[in-house]
Amino acid sequence: AQRVTQPEKLLSVFKGAPVELKCNYSYSGSPELFWYVQYSRQRLQLLLRHISRESIKGFTADLNKGETSFHLKKPFAQEEDSAMYYCALSRGTSYGKLTFGQGTILTVHP
Amino acid sequence: DTGVSQNPRHKITKRGQNVTFRCDPISEHNRLYWYRQTLGQGPEFLTYFQNEAQLEKSRLLSDRFSAERPKGSFSTLEIQRTEQGDSAMYLCASSLGETGLNEKLFFGSGTQLSVL
Repeated sequence: AQRVTQPEKLLSVFKGAPVELKCNYSYSGSPELFWYVQYSRQRLQLLLRHISRESIKGFTADLNKGETSFHLKKPFAQEEDSAMYYCALSRGTSYGKLTFGQGTILTVHP
Repeated sequence: DTGVSQNPRHKITKRGQNVTFRCDPISEHNRLYWYRQTLGQGPEFLTYFQNEAQLEKSRLLSDRFSAERPKGSFSTLEIQRTEQGDSAMYLCASSLGETGLNEKLFFGSGTQLSVL
């Protein structure tokens, strides 16, 4: 069975500091990985997905199959990045069927 | 708001009662998903529809739970004989169901269920 682990429930950084949100997964096949974000009083929304190799709002994530990790990084955190972040894994024929991690609350202090 | 709409936003019920939630997806989205989220956890997949066909159900979905999408548009999730353990946020999401990795989920605001 697939599993996603986000070891940090809370992460605090100061504005302008680098930030890394950790995500590890276990899955025997080839996973597709995503980061979802939920800002205060907003809906859960897709931030980025590994296959796109995109940078969204300055965030990037690299899939490391050797370490089974998909950490989310940003070189200079902003206060508006404060939110709940979920790492998620998908398999099978529907990429909307996701296994989510427990989430990390990121707080960026001024 | 043209996003995914869920009603009601909050539901308080007594143990043993039946409850029904409704989800209206984004127009023309042919896939619809139900997730459940308990406090401190990430969302957990329950079931999904491709148009009106229910294609997959999680083992989390006991026989007290039933979901329908009769005309391939809105969906309902019914919980019979509610238990305190059913207290959670129930999230609905929809997508265009593009093939492969282009599928993008759009989530609703959820229905918060409290079973007393």
